[in-house]
Amino acid sequence: DADVTQTPRNRITKTGKRIMLECSQTKGHDRMYWYRQDPGLGLQLIYYSFDVKDINKGEISDGYSVSRQAQAKFSLSLESAIPNQTALYFCATSDIREGYEQFFGPGTRLTVL
Amino acid sequence: GEDVEQSLFLSVREGDSSVINCTYTDSSSTYLYWYKQEPGAGLQLLTYIFSNMDMKQDQRLTVLLNKKDKHLSLRIADTQTGDSAIYFCAETFLNAGNMLTFGGGTRLMVKP
Repeated sequence: DADVTQTPRNRITKTGKRIMLECSQTKGHDRMYWYRQDPGLGLQLIYYSFDVKDINKGEISDGYSVSRQAQAKFSLSLESAIPNQTALYFCATSDIREGYEQFFGPGTRLTVL
Repeated sequence: GEDVEQSLFLSVREGDSSVINCTYTDSSSTYLYWYKQEPGAGLQLLTYIFSNMDMKQDQRLTVLLNKKDKHLSLRIADTQTGDSAIYFCAETFLNAGNMLTFGGGTRLMVKP
């Protein structure tokens, strides 16, 4: 079983819809991250959380919100999706016990029409 | 600010060596990483180098760091078709909570 899972893996939605992407981890890591990937731009950090009570904005947080419901769960929401949010979204986790190496989920491909 | 750059594409023949290059602008980075992304998958850490090292070798992988030129490279010896993927370099800073800044990725295509 994968240590970091994301649901859904693929989603097509329309402009203006609210979308939630879920991330779960079984690694027991404190830190969790949401990135988006666009071709040629690498990964850009949207939000990150160092523990359940800690939420921080990343480079490109506008239009997104997050919720850390438990140590193992970190959700990303698009309150009103727009076409330029079409991208591949990755969740990642890290922890001091593993030298803060980031472990990535398989990604969610989101298309906003 | 941080900026990490890579060329977009590299094509090699199976059995040849591949060299993927990366430049960065912030000299205060503490660790530099190479991640591999296979089609339809997330990123997997391949190797990393601490900023006070010049070279690190791990089986077929050799990482070279030139701090003066802010240049990082990943050499893959005896490249195989299974090495075809996108390779990302990334840097992290001691004072930034170990946050990663990624380059745009280099797509490596290995021809049989």
